[in-house]
Amino acid sequence: GENVEQHPSTLSVQEGDSAVIKCTYSDSASNYFPWYKQELGKRPQLIIDIRSNVGEKKDQRIAVTLNKTAKHFSLHITETQPEDSAVYFCAASNYGQNFVFGPGTRLSVLP
Amino acid sequence: NAGVTQTPKFRILKIGQSMTLQCTQDMNHNYMYWYRQDPGMGLKLIYYSVGAGITDKGEVPNGYNVSRSTTEDFPLRLELAAPSQTSVYFCASSLTSGGSYEQYFGPGTRLTVT
Repeated sequence: GENVEQHPSTLSVQEGDSAVIKCTYSDSASNYFPWYKQELGKRPQLIIDIRSNVGEKKDQRIAVTLNKTAKHFSLHITETQPEDSAVYFCAASNYGQNFVFGPGTRLSVLP
Repeated sequence: NAGVTQTPKFRILKIGQSMTLQCTQDMNHNYMYWYRQDPGMGLKLIYYSVGAGITDKGEVPNGYNVSRSTTEDFPLRLELAAPSQTSVYFCASSLTSGGSYEQYFGPGTRLTVT
């Protein structure tokens, strides 16, 4: 079955700096890769996603890149703000079925 | 739209008891999912459904059962609760048309088994 690894497990950056979180997956059949943000005690919220037929997607300060050959995808947050502090999860899925999540990255943005 | 709703919000069970976690969505989504999230960990898929009458196992299905008799409802049944089932349970739904698989999560049910 699919296996998703995520690094780093914790990340601290200064406000205004960039943050990068990386994930790898094992199943070449996976074709949908979302990123979720989860604040303490809240439900996960989708922040950006990418399909396997696209190499990069950007939404304001957030971008995701996908390398299908190497089976890895990354989340990039630029100009970080204190409200970006949260736990971020990557996931992989085959046509919206059988989602497998990474273990999460705790991002702290220091003022 | 209320989105995805879950009941109850909190529950304490004794070992060996059974219960059903309710999940309802009013967005006419075809796919629905149940996840558990242990403290400090990622989400683990328990079961999912691609439509009424169709369910399939996820990563951690043991100790749970589901049914999907309507598009709106996807209850999760715990039989013979065990301390290892102490977790936060999230239900989610998605509308898989136009190539979008975006999941909408419910607020979660915090379950403690003692």
